[in-house]
Amino acid sequence: GAGVSQSPRYKVAKRGQDVALRCDPISGHVSLFWYQQALGQGPEFLTYFQNEAQLDKSGLPSDRFFAERPEGSVSTLKIQRTQQEDSAVYLCASSRGVRETQYFGPGTRLLVL
Amino acid sequence: AQRVTQPEKLLSVFKGAPVELKCNYSYSGSPELFWYVQYSRQRLQLLLRHISRESIKGFTADLNKGETSFHLKKPFAQEEDSAMYYCALIYSNYQLIWGAGTKLIIKP
Repeated sequence: GAGVSQSPRYKVAKRGQDVALRCDPISGHVSLFWYQQALGQGPEFLTYFQNEAQLDKSGLPSDRFFAERPEGSVSTLKIQRTQQEDSAVYLCASSRGVRETQYFGPGTRLLVL
Repeated sequence: AQRVTQPEKLLSVFKGAPVELKCNYSYSGSPELFWYVQYSRQRLQLLLRHISRESIKGFTADLNKGETSFHLKKPFAQEEDSAMYYCALIYSNYQLIWGAGTKLIIKP
């Protein structure tokens, strides 16, 4: 079946712009994760959904970051008033359940100028 | 605090030589560890997890709680093994804590 998809694949934003990053998980996967990966680093956890419930948002770096998954499927990560330090690859992953293998999307590379 | 350390940013070995990618962790509970791999222009994918105790593509990894390590090994490297390798630890049932990754280059 289709894997996790993310759009856009690349996004260039001017500092101060709002951006929205989309994640389509594997059909039927209950758990959905967002990670941020800075250049030369491993991914860092941002937030976790179980169906439509956001159970953990402890990794979101500031209140400019907001994530939602209103129908328990597609998720959107929104960044308001982007800053240069937001430049990174944003990865989405989904899994059948807690502690199950996480399957990753290709990522969205965000560059804030 | 929980942490995963991959001390080598880059590892270069000749084809046919043994490979060992190092991973050390810091975690107060019972650890569950993973190796993920990212081939060029591909997405991150699971290579193996320690609870499965399986060998994937000739790679194995043994959890050593005494040394808090989970090194990835392969006896004979192949050119197609060239990739980025990430070690990760699961925390609080779902959150993955990642190392910074090691780029493995297999020279012909």
